[in-house]
Amino acid sequence: AQTVTQSQPEMSVQEAETVTLSCTYDTSESNYYLFWYKQPPSRQMILVIRQEAYKQQNATENRFSVNFQKAAKSFSLKISDSQLGDTAMYFCAFMNGGATNKLIFGTGTLLAVQP
Amino acid sequence: NAGVTQTPKFQVLKTGQSMTLQCAQDMNHEYMSWYRQDPGMGLRLIHYSVGAGITDQGEVPNGYNVSRSTTEDFPLRLLSAAPSQTSVYFCASSYSGQVKNIQYFGAGTRLSVL
Repeated sequence: AQTVTQSQPEMSVQEAETVTLSCTYDTSESNYYLFWYKQPPSRQMILVIRQEAYKQQNATENRFSVNFQKAAKSFSLKISDSQLGDTAMYFCAFMNGGATNKLIFGTGTLLAVQP
Repeated sequence: NAGVTQTPKFQVLKTGQSMTLQCAQDMNHEYMSWYRQDPGMGLRLIHYSVGAGITDQGEVPNGYNVSRSTTEDFPLRLLSAAPSQTSVYFCASSYSGQVKNIQYFGAGTRLSVL
């Protein structure tokens, strides 16, 4: 069974600085997808970034980028130029590349951006 | 675009009561699912459906029923509510084609069982 581990329950960063959130996963599959979701206080789940396992290039979305290390089964999220609006719970998630779209989530990292 | 709509947003039940959480999507997505979110545990899959008439169990299905009679709707039924079902519930949907891996979430339902 696949598992997703986020070892940092809480993190804090100063506005405009860079922060990295860690995520590791365990799977024996070769075809899969990885995601970072953001959950602000509004509770809405917002997709931040996704990575296909077959792509070696790290995904980037504006100030958000990932460091995907397939051999190490590591998928960290880097947030550059942190903004107050980045304050949220961040979830790492795994999806197998099969017929179903089941997501397996980590336990989350609560990020606080300080002014 | 409405996207994924969940109702109600909040609900308080007494132990033993039954209720249905509603989920509707207007994107013609084949895949729909229900998750529950508990403190310190992330989101866990309850039930999912790959199309109308097809449902299957997820990680934590006990105490919940689902059915999928139309593509648009995927209600979650609590047959006899228990305090352990106090949680925030999310419905999600996605395509099953090449972009199947992008899931869209509803705004969630906060349920308290007393």
